[in-house]
Formats: sequence, structure tokens, C-alpha cells
Amino acid sequence: GENVEQHPSTLSVQEGDSAVIKCTYSDSASNYFPWYKQELGKGPQLIIDIRSNVGEKKDQRIAVTLNKTAKHFSLHITETQPEDSAVYFCAASRGGGYQKVTFGIGTKLQVIP
Amino acid sequence: GAVVSQHPSWVICKSGTSVKIECRSLDFQATTMFWYRQFPKQSLMLMATSNEGSKATYEQGVEKDKFLINHASLTLSTLTVTSAHPEDSSFYICSAPARTGDSPLHFGNGTRLTVT
Repeated sequence: GENVEQHPSTLSVQEGDSAVIKCTYSDSASNYFPWYKQELGKGPQLIIDIRSNVGEKKDQRIAVTLNKTAKHFSLHITETQPEDSAVYFCAASRGGGYQKVTFGIGTKLQVIP
Repeated sequence: GAVVSQHPSWVICKSGTSVKIECRSLDFQATTMFWYRQFPKQSLMLMATSNEGSKATYEQGVEKDKFLINHASLTLSTLTVTSAHPEDSSFYICSAPARTGDSPLHFGNGTRLTVT
């Protein structure tokens, strides 16, 4: 089955700096890679996703890059703000949300004001 | 769009009793829903796939007789933890794929179950 590794497990950045979270996956058939943000006591919220036929996708301060050959993808948050502090999960699946989605271990991001 | 509502948000029950958790898709129909379990500071572990009108599919190691799933309508799935024990205490989260684009999973806000 799919195995998704994520690092770092914790990340502290100064407000305004950038944050980068990296993930690798093992299943070459995976073609859909969502990223979720989870605040304390709440369910995960989708923040951005990317398909394997796209190398990069951007949405305001958030961007995701995908290297299908190397089987790794990354989340980039620019101009970080205190409200970006949360746990971020990467995930992979073979075909969108209807297929089994495998999650990484999570990265706790702390943005220091 | 694609709002998933979960109820209750937290519940405390005594050992040996059963607890039902509801998951509703509020503005879309969900033929499939997923139930996850999350331990503190850990990732989400898929427990089972809930299929409308048919039996749920359970992941390896998940006891189907302990975690009963019913998906009786296109907008409601329920998870019943039967004969709960303290080790069942956890954060349970449901999700449903949206019916647009890549069908991204949308999650409920989870249910914190504490078994005393």
C-alpha cells in the first residue's frame, strides 16, 4: 500500500517568513495530492491540492510543487501569519477523494509574532 | 459548498455502553463516506468506508462488530461504538468526497469520545 512520509514534524518560523513542508510517497500510481490544515480540536480543512499532471499550483500565499519522478511534493507558505499556526497534513491517493487517501504524520507549524 | 457536519462534537460515556456518532453532508449527496480515528498528536487512520445502501468496508485490524457503520441515506452515515472501553477513547472524524473536480475529501469537525 501507499506510504507517505512527511517532515519536519515541527516547524517554527517568524511571522512574515516562509515555511516549507516536504512529503514523499511510495506508490507510483498515486496521482492526487491534497494538503490539509487542522486546528486544535477541529477536523482537517483542505487548503490546496494538486494532480500528478501538474508540477506546481498556487493559491495566494500557498503553493504546492510536485516532482512525480522523485515522488515528492512540498507545501510552501509565504508571508506567514500567526493564524497559519496549525498542524498540516499531506496526503496521497490513486484517484481523488473516492479512493483511499493516505496521510502523512503531520507537521505542527508555529508562527511566532 | 461541500459542508460535512458531525455530531456530537464530544461525548463522555461509561465503559460497556454504546455511543452513536452522526455524519451528515449538508449541501451535497455522499454515496461514500469515510471514518477516521486520530490519536493525540498523530495522523488520521482510516477505519472504514461507508457505502450508501450496502455494507461498510473495514480496514485491516478494525473490528466491524465493535464499530458499526450505517449509511442509510445519501446524506447520513453513523458510527456506533459498541460496548465502549477506555481504549476506544479517541477523536473520530468523518469525511465525504465532494462531487466536483478531484472529489477532495471534506471533513467534519470530529467527535472527541472519552470512555470512563
